[in-house]
Amino acid sequence: QIVLSQSPAILSASPGEKVTMTCRASSSVSYMHWYQQKPGSSPKPWIYATSNLASGVPARFSGSGSGTSYSLTISRVEAEDAATYYCQQWSSNPLTFGAGTKLELK
Amino acid sequence: EVQLQQSGPELVKPGASVKISCKASGYTFTDYNMHWVKQSHGKSLEWIGYIYPYNGGTGYNQKFKSKATLTVDNSSSTAYMELRSLTSEDSAVYYCARELRPGWFAYWGQGTLVTVSA
Repeated sequence: QIVLSQSPAILSASPGEKVTMTCRASSSVSYMHWYQQKPGSSPKPWIYATSNLASGVPARFSGSGSGTSYSLTISRVEAEDAATYYCQQWSSNPLTFGAGTKLELK
Repeated sequence: EVQLQQSGPELVKPGASVKISCKASGYTFTDYNMHWVKQSHGKSLEWIGYIYPYNGGTGYNQKFKSKATLTVDNSSSTAYMELRSLTSEDSAVYYCARELRPGWFAYWGQGTLVTVSA
């Protein structure tokens, strides 16, 4: 199966800072999806097909990548962005998720 | 508005089975795959499988093939997942999630907590 490795596991940032988190696949995938999850809540769709923002996602978020390396960038972090972000692929079976990057605000 | 309403928390004994439900509304139920995802406490997400309500076709993660059975009742727009031979490793929150495009989960249920304990 394709293993997705997310880094860093924990990302600490100050409001207004630009941050980037990475998702690396063990084999090439066609695209990557991203979800945001806050404690006690279901995951929310965040970015689909590598670079498309889901409905309601602020424009300060962006996604990019290809092959085995993908990233999610926040241009200017805000307090509400504190959450865990998961990448996910279904280029091959089984569908897999990364272990998540937890974004903490300083 | 698309909504996925899952059944309530379950406390089950080791070795037993449990069937949880996901009632869909706000769209034509038979048009989209319904997936199920496991999240153990404090951990990441694991894909269990999907069902296509139109014809009942299924696809499973091999890891869960002997653990989970996915079914639907199209008359009530409800998807079900039965988990059998439960152990403590099966204690988790289980989500149903609907695709908007293949493999992209645009809608999620609120989750059902299953606790396996004697």
